[in-house]
Amino acid sequence: GQQVMQIPQYQHVQEGEDFTTYCNSSTTLSNIQWYKQRPGGHPVFLIQLVKSGEVKKQKRLTFQFGEAKKNSSLHITATQTTDVGTYFCAGQTGANNLFFGTGTRLTVIP
Amino acid sequence: DAGVIQSPRHEVTEMGQEVTLRCKPISGHNSLFWYRQTMMRGLELLIYFNNNVPIDDSGMPEDRFSAKMPNASFSTLKIQPSEPRDSAVYFCASRFSGGQETQYFGPGTRLLVL
Repeated sequence: GQQVMQIPQYQHVQEGEDFTTYCNSSTTLSNIQWYKQRPGGHPVFLIQLVKSGEVKKQKRLTFQFGEAKKNSSLHITATQTTDVGTYFCAGQTGANNLFFGTGTRLTVIP
Repeated sequence: DAGVIQSPRHEVTEMGQEVTLRCKPISGHNSLFWYRQTMMRGLELLIYFNNNVPIDDSGMPEDRFSAKMPNASFSTLKIQPSEPRDSAVYFCASRFSGGQETQYFGPGTRLLVL
């Protein structure tokens, strides 16, 4: 069945360091979405990628969708304490519902 | 817009009791999802509805769980009887199918079964 895996599961970084989380799907995706969940909060939509090889930026966040549309990454430049939380990717195939990845929990040490 | 509304926000109950979680999706959204989140299993899709009709309930753990959506603005997730292993955060999410497919999550219900 559909599986979306993320690595790493946990990441601790010093404030100011960069951070990257990777997402891999067992099947080709029609699109991929990224969500952020703050501690004690709920997942909040960040962005959607649709095209093969697509790259999108939101300030210090850079999102990439692989050429084969089976993997994606989120890179944060110069992390801040406000970046703390769990980042989920969620893949969609056709009209089906989203399959959420396992998430990467980011801790930023001031 | 008020966003997705869930109630109660916290629930503590004893094993064997019936638990009912409620969700009001964003007005105009035609898909509704119930998720369960635990440290061990992460975010799991339990069931989702399209236009009030259950489409996929393969994630529902067992017969103790049931979900209904009697109309476009209300859904319930019921656990009867509840067990300690049901303790988790239960999220409801809604979206408008045909748009960007973004899911909007509610604040969640934190359930503790003693």
